[in-house]
Amino acid sequence: QKEVEQDPGPLSVPEGAIVSLNCTYSNSAFQYFMWYRQYSRKGPELLMYTYSSGNKEDGRFTAQVDKSSKYISLFIRDSQPSDSATYLCAMNQGGSEKLVFGKGTKLTVNP
Amino acid sequence: NAGVTQTPKFQVLKTGQSMTLQCAQDMNHEYMSWYRQDPGMGLRLIHYSVGAGITDQGEVPNGYNVSRSTTEDFPLRLLSAAPSQTSVYFCASSYSRDTSGNTIYFGEGSWLTVV
Repeated sequence: QKEVEQDPGPLSVPEGAIVSLNCTYSNSAFQYFMWYRQYSRKGPELLMYTYSSGNKEDGRFTAQVDKSSKYISLFIRDSQPSDSATYLCAMNQGGSEKLVFGKGTKLTVNP
Repeated sequence: NAGVTQTPKFQVLKTGQSMTLQCAQDMNHEYMSWYRQDPGMGLRLIHYSVGAGITDQGEVPNGYNVSRSTTEDFPLRLLSAAPSQTSVYFCASSYSRDTSGNTIYFGEGSWLTVV
């Protein structure tokens, strides 16, 4: 079993839709959870990060962590064509230089 | 603001050739790393460095060498290129070796094809 599993999609939604992106993981030691956004032919950029369980909101984006289920989510409200990108989850156990990445989910928001 | 700069952006190599991917950051970051990104495989760590003169292996180090003589530069050397090294390579840097909650800044990528 891979440490981090992420459905690669692709996911195609109409503009204005609520998008849900998810990752599951197997290592219960993971404490820090991140979402990176990667536009086509660009490097990933950090979108959000959360520590341990709970929710974190930033504008139209909400990151959610459920450690009991080993499941993290990123919700995008009122999705825009500019949100079209690949979204990668990443996580580590704290005090580590090594991040474990999911494979990424490709999202297209259609105008 | 330059951030993390990678060169070249595109390169075609023949099997057996060697080359160096250059990476420089101007943020005085302690931690630098190289990843490769392949379809269906995600980002995989090749090598990393926690400071000048200190390097260590990541998940997929075979066929690659690194060195860190200055804080700013972290070149990746392909010793004898193989078709399996066809990939997109990303250099990244972070303020601290502890990437928990610290932003990792990625370069724009180097597309390498080995024929």
